[in-house]
Amino acid sequence: EPEVTQTPSHQVTQMGQEVILRCVPISNHLYFYWYRQILGQKVEFLVSFYNNEISEKSEIFDDQFSVERPDGSNFTLKIRSTKLEDSAMYFCASSKQGWSSYEQYFGPGTRLTVT
Amino acid sequence: AQSVTQLGSHVSVSEGALVLLRCNYSSSVPPYLFWYVQYPNQGLQLLLKYTTGATLVKGINGFEAEFKKSETSFHLTKPSAHMSDAAEYFCAVNDRDDKIIFGKGTRLHILP
Repeated sequence: EPEVTQTPSHQVTQMGQEVILRCVPISNHLYFYWYRQILGQKVEFLVSFYNNEISEKSEIFDDQFSVERPDGSNFTLKIRSTKLEDSAMYFCASSKQGWSSYEQYFGPGTRLTVT
Repeated sequence: AQSVTQLGSHVSVSEGALVLLRCNYSSSVPPYLFWYVQYPNQGLQLLLKYTTGATLVKGINGFEAEFKKSETSFHLTKPSAHMSDAAEYFCAVNDRDDKIIFGKGTRLHILP
């Protein structure tokens, strides 16, 4: 069964460093998403992406964040200058269509630790 | 704005007993409602969803949930718990836009 994959599973970085989290969505999916979960808190929506554009973003997704689909398979989340409060589990998701398809398929997550 | 409240961050039930995980939501439009499960070191897996139609929805692994509009609830149940059900469960709502809004999650413990 096709699945969303994410690399790395755990990333440790120093405050102020740039970090890129990578995701490979399901191959025939057209909509892509990033969510994050700070330890002990809710899973929160960050951004959705369709047709090489951001379609929706939350207030968390400020200028420090960017997303890109550099080729036909990868979907990346970049944090330009990491802060301690960026430490969280980051989940990538994809769906065949937008909200009307109801189901977003989630990857296993990347745990980002900022020291 | 939509939101989800899950009552109880930890729930323990004995193997074979009824599982009941509570979820209440708020939404400005008829919502789409979901339950996701997360096993240790794995991603979020969709258990079941309600979009329209029948208010009792059945999902994988014997779970079901009932949408009750009057109570703004979408509680998850399973008649008989199994050790393999131990996981974290997330209730979520979608207000017909791109984002899914999650509850804080309930960790289900199964006692032998």
